[in-house]
This record gives sequence, C-alpha cells and structure tokens, in this order.
Amino acid sequence: QVKLVESGGRVVQPGRSLRLSCETSGFRFSSYAMHWVRQAPDKGLEWVSVIWNDGSNKYYGDSVKGRFTISRDNSKNTLYLQMDSLRGEDTAVYYCATPGPGLIVPPFYYWGHGTLVTVSP
Amino acid sequence: EIVMTQSPATLSVSPGERATLYCRASQSVSRNLAWYQQKPGQAPRLLIFGTSTRATGIPARFSGSGSGTEFTLSISSLQSEDFAVYYCQQYNKWPPGTFGPGTKVDMK
Repeated sequence: QVKLVESGGRVVQPGRSLRLSCETSGFRFSSYAMHWVRQAPDKGLEWVSVIWNDGSNKYYGDSVKGRFTISRDNSKNTLYLQMDSLRGEDTAVYYCATPGPGLIVPPFYYWGHGTLVTVSP
Repeated sequence: EIVMTQSPATLSVSPGERATLYCRASQSVSRNLAWYQQKPGQAPRLLIFGTSTRATGIPARFSGSGSGTEFTLSISSLQSEDFAVYYCQQYNKWPPGTFGPGTKVDMK
C-alpha cells in the first residue's frame, strides 16, 4: 500500500537550514505530484509547497516563498524540502502528502506521519 | 486568497447523537471542498471530497453537502472513534488550497 515516511526534523536555531525527506513506497512515485503541508503546535493545517510528478513545476505558499525549495528524486522514490533562513514561525510538524496518481490539485488522499521541526535559539 | 471559517470551534456531543459541522468560504469555491479528520498525534485523514463524495473506506454515517460558500459535514450517529478535529479545505482556487481552522468534536 501507499507509504510515506518523513524524516529530518529536529531542533534548529533561527537563520539556519534544514532538509526534510519523505521516503515513499508501495506506488509509482514518478506518477504522483507531491506536496508538503505543515501544522504548527496546536494549530491548523497550512499548505507549503507542491512539485509535479516529473519535477517540471513547483509552487510555494507565500510564507515560505524564497526560503524553501522542494525537490524530488524519482530514482530514489524520495521527496525533499530544503528549508533555509528558518524562523520561529516555521516550527511545525511537516507532512508530505499526495492527491493520488495523475492528480496535482488537492484533496490529499495519502499522508505521511509527519516530522517535527522546532526553530529555537 | 480564499479564507475558510468553521463553526463551531468546539462541538460537544454524546455518542449516538448527530453532529453537524459548518464550513464557510470567503468566496465561491463551487463544490471543490474536502473534509479531513485528525486525531491527536496522527496525520489528517481524508473523509469527503467534491463536497459530498466519501473517500474509500469512510463509513456512510459521514455525509457532506453544500455549494458555493456554505458547506456542512454531518455525522449521523457519533461513534467513540469519531471524536477528533475536523478540517475543511477548498481547492477551487489553488495554490494554495486553504484549510479552515478546524472544529473539535468532543464528548459531552
């Protein structure tokens, strides 16, 4: 079955960088657009970024534009999120998610379990 | 950006009772509206998309309705496993597919 496993979250100081990974299995990764969605502690959900199945298009939420970079390696079935110039407000659980094969737009049928990023001095 | 609001913020319901949750969009999203359920420490789970289509494996006690700017999620007879936070999400204008702030359904 579809499996998404995020990793890379940890405590990091403001202004530093961090790279998250989302390892996938159980489906043809190269056919799926992939998204990152985050959730600040005890808060709601915020869409972060999307990358097309072939990496040809990428979009970002306004709060992360210019600081975060989404990428993927279809040979490794893995999605990435490079997070630079981190701020306290980036503290959140980061989920990778996908709407399913051949789809780009939400809703998100499949989600990972999330990885916690804490930005603190 | 389309702003989503949900009401009430918290809904206290007894098991077996009916729960009705509301979601409003700041402008029309047609029927491009989804509902998710999230339990503590878990990822969200897709319940309904296209306003009223249940995702695979979702029990029939969950139903959605509405169009334009006003939407409803109903749980016909609340089970113990239904106590959770529920989020709506519009995807008519995307990116971003904005989420509502959530409604917490807890036990009365």
